[in-house]
Amino acid sequence: EAQVTQNPRYLITVTGKKLTVTCSQNMNHEYMSWYRQDPGLGLRQIYYSMNVEVTDKGDVPEGYKVSRKEKRNFPLILESPSPNQTSLYFCASTSGTSGSETDTQYFGPGTRLTVL
Amino acid sequence: DQQVKQNSPSLSVQEGRISILNCDYTNSMFDYFLWYKKYPAEGPTFLISISSIKDKNEDGRFTVFLNKSAKHLSLHIVPSQPGDSAVYFCAASYTGTASKLTFGTGTRLQVTL
Repeated sequence: EAQVTQNPRYLITVTGKKLTVTCSQNMNHEYMSWYRQDPGLGLRQIYYSMNVEVTDKGDVPEGYKVSRKEKRNFPLILESPSPNQTSLYFCASTSGTSGSETDTQYFGPGTRLTVL
Repeated sequence: DQQVKQNSPSLSVQEGRISILNCDYTNSMFDYFLWYKKYPAEGPTFLISISSIKDKNEDGRFTVFLNKSAKHLSLHIVPSQPGDSAVYFCAASYTGTASKLTFGTGTRLQVTL
C-alpha cells in the first residue's frame, strides 16, 4: 500500500529540547515536503526536497532543519523548539517531475506537537 | 500575504443538495490548482485538480471550475453526502515547482441529513 508515515503522531515537549519527527514514503517519490497547519493560516510549507541531498526553504523555515540522506526518508529537526512551533505537522511526497505540472501530493497522517 | 484565499470558513448543506466551495488567488503565475479533503486526525487527501489551460474538470460528483480572469475557482459537489463532511483546502502551484503547494485556509463543510 502506497503511504507516507510519520512518527511520532503526538509529542509534548519543553522549550529547548531537541526533537526529530521522522517521515518515510514507500512510493519512490523524488519530492518530499514538510508543512505546518495552524488555525486560520491553512498549511504552510516549511522545507522541501527535490531529491537526495537537495533541500530548500519553503515559506516558514525559521527554527527548523531537514535532511535527505535517503530517498524514502525526510526527517524534520527542531534543534531548540519554542512554544510558537506548537502546531500540526504534515509530511508529503509527490512524483511530480521538474518543469511539469504538479503531480498529486500524498500526505502523512500528521504529527501534533506541543512545546511547553 | 495570503496568495490563496478561502473566505468562507464553514458551509452547511443538506444531503442531496449542491455544495459550492470557493477559492480566490492573487498570484497570476499559478497555473495548476488542486482541492484536498481533510478528515480529523488524518492527512489531506487529493480530490481533484485543474490546469490553467482548462476551465472545467469533472470527476464523478466533483467538478472544479476555473475563472482565470477573476482568479477564482470553485468546487461543486453534487449530490452532497454526509461522508463529504470534512475540511476542504484549495491549493495552487506553478510550473517547475512540483513540490511546492500554496494552500488556502480551508472551508469546513458539514452535510446534514
